[in-house]
Amino acid sequence: DAKTTQPTSMDCAEGRAANLPCNHSTISGNEYVYWYRQIHSQGPQYIIHGLKNNETNEMASLIITEDRKSSTLILPHATLRDTAVYYCISSKTSYDKVIFGPGTSLSVIP
Amino acid sequence: GAVVSQHPSRVICKSGTSVKIECRSLDFQATTMFWYRQFPKQSLMLMATSNEGSKATYEQGVEKDKFLINHASLTLSTLTVTSAHPEDSSFYICSASRPLGGATYEQYFGPGTRLTVT
Repeated sequence: DAKTTQPTSMDCAEGRAANLPCNHSTISGNEYVYWYRQIHSQGPQYIIHGLKNNETNEMASLIITEDRKSSTLILPHATLRDTAVYYCISSKTSYDKVIFGPGTSLSVIP
Repeated sequence: GAVVSQHPSRVICKSGTSVKIECRSLDFQATTMFWYRQFPKQSLMLMATSNEGSKATYEQGVEKDKFLINHASLTLSTLTVTSAHPEDSSFYICSASRPLGGATYEQYFGPGTRLTVT
């Protein structure tokens, strides 16, 4: 599976959009981009995933660049409860295990 | 949505004893489940893949005789930490893979089990 790189930490003001970047420059054509988050002392939570097209659900939007080498997770109106570690993972469709990197620690500030 | 449960949520045991942790998929059948371990301020580390009806596949460096995995049904996988030592104290998390159709899947994670070995 392709390796992803993310900033170690980010801050975001409450009510503003949180934009979390992820680089996956070695992603192959059949690998999806998945985003999970982990709130302190809880199990990870699935957020969203995509292959080529931008995706949106009730939690977030996922913007994937045309060359698929990077993506951005957008939380449109961040709340204090969005404070968590966010993991960007690329995974082949033939595999279903998730290998976590260090992720981005997002702090939403009042 | 799909739910994965773990039991117990917290356990304290004495050094040298064994501890069993259960992982259940509550509203879907999971042919594959995964076990992770997480130390403080670190990311999740995959320990093993648990396959229903067959032997688990362990990641490199994980002792299969120490971390016994049993996946006897499509909704239950267990992890037994044998002869536990203080260095085994950690947050253990399981996940279950639910196919969404086509070649995509979604992972559902349990809430985790905090193991403390004294």
